[in-house]
Amino acid sequence: QVQLHESGPRLVKPSETLSLTCNVSGSSVSSYYWTWLRQPPGKGLEWIGYIYNSGVNDYNPSLKSRVTISVDTAKNHFSLNLRSVTAADTAVYYCARDRGNIVPTGYFDSWGHGTLVTVSS
Amino acid sequence: EVVMTQSPTTVAVSPGEGATLSCRTSKSVDTNVAWYQQKPGQAPRLLIYHASTRATGIPARFTGSGSGTQFTLTISSLLSEDLALYYCQQYNNWPYTFGQGTKLQIK
Repeated sequence: QVQLHESGPRLVKPSETLSLTCNVSGSSVSSYYWTWLRQPPGKGLEWIGYIYNSGVNDYNPSLKSRVTISVDTAKNHFSLNLRSVTAADTAVYYCARDRGNIVPTGYFDSWGHGTLVTVSS
Repeated sequence: EVVMTQSPTTVAVSPGEGATLSCRTSKSVDTNVAWYQQKPGQAPRLLIYHASTRATGIPARFTGSGSGTQFTLTISSLLSEDLALYYCQQYNNWPYTFGQGTKLQIK
């Protein structure tokens, strides 16, 4: 059974970098597309981006200039860095798996429980 | 980007009855639509992909249909455990986008 679990600071100051890690069990991060999404309070879901095959990335154009997603195969986890955050980046952040191989399926069959990150001074 | 519009925003249904949730896209996405269920305090759960294929373990009470720009999720014989937010998502165009959700309440 695949399990994903987000961890990282819950409070980030404006202009700083939001950093989260998703620990994965039951599946190897060397395969599939490992994805970050977020959900601002009271709003819908937003796809942030993914990493595949330990190095291939794609990001939402609205965030591309500020986002990096990386993977650590030895620890079987992947990470999100979002730079220069503002209050608009306050959201529940989810990690998820896309079971695509070579190409993404586009949908997400396993999710973490999510972690609320608040941007505030 | 493709805008996803879900309706209604909220629907209340009695146990045992059926519910129909709609999702409209701003441009054709073929059948590249997924539906998710999000119960209070939980992560989203994949229900349907390719517009009509049930994900593993999803009961037959959940049926997806549609293509192009109009999609429907039908839930028959509602149970109290179906109380949740339901989201549609398109993955035909970059970036992937989600609807704002329909809240299903049990009368």
